[in-house]
Amino acid sequence: GAVVSQHPSRVICKSGTSVKIECRSLDFQATTMFWYRQFPKKSLMLMATSNEGSKATYEQGVEKDKFLINHASLTLSTLTVTSAHPEDSSFYICSAAPGQGADTQYFGPGTRLTVL
Amino acid sequence: SQKIEQNSEALNIQEGKTATLTCNYTNYSPAYLQWYRQDPGRGPVFLLLIRENEKEKRKERLKVTFDTTLKQSLFHITASQPADSATYLCALAPDYKLSFGAGTTVTVRA
Repeated sequence: GAVVSQHPSRVICKSGTSVKIECRSLDFQATTMFWYRQFPKKSLMLMATSNEGSKATYEQGVEKDKFLINHASLTLSTLTVTSAHPEDSSFYICSAAPGQGADTQYFGPGTRLTVL
Repeated sequence: SQKIEQNSEALNIQEGKTATLTCNYTNYSPAYLQWYRQDPGRGPVFLLLIRENEKEKRKERLKVTFDTTLKQSLFHITASQPADSATYLCALAPDYKLSFGAGTTVTVRA
């Protein structure tokens, strides 16, 4: 149980285009979903927290207009990188939590984004 | 500012030996601490959670200790195997959000 999927696993896009990444909790309902970003050999950095049906809460320094997050249902959250640039290239990971707290989070396999 | 430090970036050990990883934190008073395993190109996988009132926790060949006075957690992999080779992350949740250390990459030689 407690499986989280992400789609796509890898995406390559041209600079200036938008990319959507999906995060799904497959066998439980996720009250809260988190989006992280990870650079090579670096730690996971929390970008934003989303609760189903409400606006996402972004961490300091994360542009909400660039990284659009939608949590339309209890099993799906999407991250859209708008007008992508090469510096947005990174490994994006989502996690899903059945409750409000962080103590039980299940992570997706990650999405590798490369912007040319 | 709050900081989580994992003391070594890489650890190479011989199969069968015990790997010991350290996680130190400053300016936190966490109610619990977690350890995750991350393989290359994959998301983290939860291993263990230890609460502030617990000194030690075990799961199969894994053992975690938590010293809130020293602000330190130790993570042990006993009887290590090549399949244990991965990056291990510690994480704290000072509020409802997780903050991660940079990780220690363990390589177990056969």
